[in-house]
Amino acid sequence: GQNIDQPTEMTATEGAIVQINCTYQTSGFNGLFWYQQHAGEAPTFLSYNVLDGLEEKGRFSSFLSRSKGYSYLLLKELQMKDSASYLCAVPMDSNYQLIWGAGTKLIIKP
Amino acid sequence: DTAVSQTPKYLVTQMGNDKSIKCEQNLGHDTMYWYKQDSKKFLKIMFSYNNKELIINETVPNRFSPKSPDKAHLNLHINSLELGDSAVYFCASSQAAGGYEQYFGPGTRLTVT
Repeated sequence: GQNIDQPTEMTATEGAIVQINCTYQTSGFNGLFWYQQHAGEAPTFLSYNVLDGLEEKGRFSSFLSRSKGYSYLLLKELQMKDSASYLCAVPMDSNYQLIWGAGTKLIIKP
Repeated sequence: DTAVSQTPKYLVTQMGNDKSIKCEQNLGHDTMYWYKQDSKKFLKIMFSYNNKELIINETVPNRFSPKSPDKAHLNLHINSLELGDSAVYFCASSQAAGGYEQYFGPGTRLTVT
């Protein structure tokens, strides 16, 4: 079957750097998504990785290692508005519907 | 201009009732989805609809039925509501199925009493 694991909660300080990990198990691989979800709001797209390596987008970067079934989201220069849940998702092998991790709730402290 | 819209935003109803949630996207996307997010914040796919092909997640009770009058709309109808149906329901769309960014609607918070 397919499975995704993420830490439940992390705490970091404003201005610092934080890395949110995601491990997944799939028989095939069709890419990995990261989404951000603020409390009471809808998820919004952050990144999509299909090849190994690091992709940078401003303060946010996403890394993928297909051989290890591992990805991380790196957030730099943390701001209070980055307090949110970060969800990792992978397409199912059979029909490309996304299966989602439970999300990592990131708490930013001043 | 709202990309993906849902109505209503809040829905409070009693057990046993039938209700519908509407979803519309103005992005010209080919694929639409319904998700359920429960109190533990797990986001679970319920349905996806792509080029008239409906894919149903096997865990979804048949009390839930999606209806798509056209490519821009995917409504969710729920029969005989149960307490466990209380959750936030999100509609989403993407350009196509697979590795494409999904755009989410604002969500409908359903409370069954």
